[in-house]
Amino acid sequence: QKEVEQDPGPLSVPEGAIVSLNCTYSNSAFQYFMWYRQYSRKGPELLMYTYSSGNKEDGRFTAQVDKSSKYISLFIRDSQPSDSATYLCAMSERSGYSTLTFGKGTMLLVSP
Amino acid sequence: GAVVSQHPSWVICKSGTSVKIECRSLDFQATTMFWYRQFPKQSLMLMATSNEGSKATYEQGVEKDKFLINHASLTLSTLTVTSAHPEDSSFYICSASNALAEQETQYFGPGTRLLVL
Repeated sequence: QKEVEQDPGPLSVPEGAIVSLNCTYSNSAFQYFMWYRQYSRKGPELLMYTYSSGNKEDGRFTAQVDKSSKYISLFIRDSQPSDSATYLCAMSERSGYSTLTFGKGTMLLVSP
Repeated sequence: GAVVSQHPSWVICKSGTSVKIECRSLDFQATTMFWYRQFPKQSLMLMATSNEGSKATYEQGVEKDKFLINHASLTLSTLTVTSAHPEDSSFYICSASNALAEQETQYFGPGTRLLVL
């Protein structure tokens, strides 16, 4: 079993839809959870950063962490074609700036 | 926000030559820098971690004599791919972090695409 599992997609949705992206993990020591967005041929861009369990909202994005289930989610409301990208979940044990373990990424396609 | 740059953004070289990639943190001091490589449709694979002024820590399976990392200052790290071969062709991405920052996370550069002919 891989440490972090993430469905590679692609996930295709129409503009305006609510998007749900998920990752599961096996290492219960993970404490810091991040979501990155990566456009084709570009470096990852940090979207959301959370510590331990709970919810965090930033504009159209909401991150949820359920440590008891070892499950994290990213919700995108009112999705836009510009949201089309690959979304990578990442997590670490000690802190967000220590070694990150990434999921494989989910490709999202938002059609106008 | 924290900005990390990389140079060059892409490079084509002949087999057997060496290529140097620079990673700079533009508006913050990076106590730690990370180097990743990414193959098409794959996730990022950590190659090495470097702290300013000390030797890099390489991940298992990464040849330290082939991928030379220097982190001479708090704003600059370099990755040199020595005697590059076609199998080294990949997307190389650096990230930087600051242990003193309010948000403890890594900020990524835009990546360098290397093609070895």
